[in-house]
Amino acid sequence: GENVEQHPSTLSVQEGDSAVIKCTYSDSASNYFPWYKQELGKGPQLIIDIRSNVGEKKDQRIAVTLNKTAKHFSLHITETQPEDSAVYFCAAPRGSNDYKLSFGAGTTVTVRA
Amino acid sequence: ETGVTQTPRHLVMGMTNKKSLKCEQHLGHNAMYWYKQSAKKPLELMFVYSLEERVENNSVPSRFSPECPNSSHLFLHLHTLQPEDSALYLCASSQEVGLNQPQHFGDGTRLSIL
Repeated sequence: GENVEQHPSTLSVQEGDSAVIKCTYSDSASNYFPWYKQELGKGPQLIIDIRSNVGEKKDQRIAVTLNKTAKHFSLHITETQPEDSAVYFCAAPRGSNDYKLSFGAGTTVTVRA
Repeated sequence: ETGVTQTPRHLVMGMTNKKSLKCEQHLGHNAMYWYKQSAKKPLELMFVYSLEERVENNSVPSRFSPECPNSSHLFLHLHTLQPEDSALYLCASSQEVGLNQPQHFGDGTRLSIL
């Protein structure tokens, strides 16, 4: 099955700086990679996803990059703001024909004002 | 406002109690999921339903019993739970069960077993 590793587990950044979270996966057939943001007391919210036919996707201050050869994908948050403080999860399907997602253990991001 | 609503938000129960968690989605989706979220661990998939039919039972103990009466509602019936079952239980939905289907989560039920 798919094994997703996420690093770092905690990340503290100064407001305005960038934050980068990286995930690696084991199944080379995986082809869909979502990122979720979970604020305190809330459920995970999908913030961006990428499919294996593209290498990068941007949505305002958030971007995701995918390196299929190395089997890793990263979340980039630029110009961080206090409201970016949350736990971020990456995920990957357990195979090209499997709808079940394997999640990373999460990264707690703290943006210092 | 989330399209997936879970009730109750918090639940405290003894090991001999019977209770139910409820999930309702307002997104017109056909697939619904139950996940368990424990501290410092990745989300664990418990059950998957597609058009009210269970398509996945991820080796979950029988003290957890799901029910999906229609594509908008999902229940998780609980009985004789153990302290290690204390966790956040999340419901999610997606348009279909299939590849590349974004899942939308509710805010969860925080369950504490005494």
